[in-house]
Amino acid sequence: AQSVTQLGSHVSVSEGALVLLRCNYSSSVPPYLFWYVQYPNQGLQLLLKYTSAATLVKGINGFEAEFKKSETSFHLTKPSAHLSDAAEYFCAVTWGGGADGLTFGKGTHLIIQP
Amino acid sequence: GAGVSQSPSNKVTEKGKDVELRCDPISGHTALYWYRQSLGQGLEFLIYFQGNSAPDKSGLPSDRFSAERTGGSVSTLTIQRTQQEDSAVYLCASSLGGGVRTDTQYFGPGTRLTVL
Repeated sequence: AQSVTQLGSHVSVSEGALVLLRCNYSSSVPPYLFWYVQYPNQGLQLLLKYTSAATLVKGINGFEAEFKKSETSFHLTKPSAHLSDAAEYFCAVTWGGGADGLTFGKGTHLIIQP
Repeated sequence: GAGVSQSPSNKVTEKGKDVELRCDPISGHTALYWYRQSLGQGLEFLIYFQGNSAPDKSGLPSDRFSAERTGGSVSTLTIQRTQQEDSAVYLCASSLGGGVRTDTQYFGPGTRLTVL
């Protein structure tokens, strides 16, 4: 079955350090990929999405992700972590769009150490 | 402009009771989605509407769950004879629609359902 995996349920980094959150999908057909962020007691907010126009995608709040077909990955990075980045991050994929909905990874809780 | 809204924000009910959850999508969005977020299962896709039509209801967890959408706008998710395993946050999302695979889904704040 097609799936998406996020490595690390919790990631802790120091303020100002590099943030790297991992996402891999399992499928021979590349999906469309999204990263969402969820702050406590709030809904999901789109950070960025891969639309096949460019493999390096820039999103909001200084985040970016690179689609690597050979590695079936779409890892999320940010050069310098800020305290306000502490949240739950979800990688999501869709192959068919619309009627298929989004398939989400289990999420990664990002902790920022001051 | 206004985002996706959901009501109630919190619902506590007794096992066996029926509940209705409401979603108001962003104006002009023809596509609407329901998801469930729980500790054990993570985020699960439940159902999708294009206009008032839901082409595939197989994602609904059981026949106690039903959803409808009227006037291409408001949607309700109904859970009959609630069980404790139905306790979760139910999220609604909407998008412009039209079957675009990269269509951005905008999420509401969710309804936290607790079944005692």
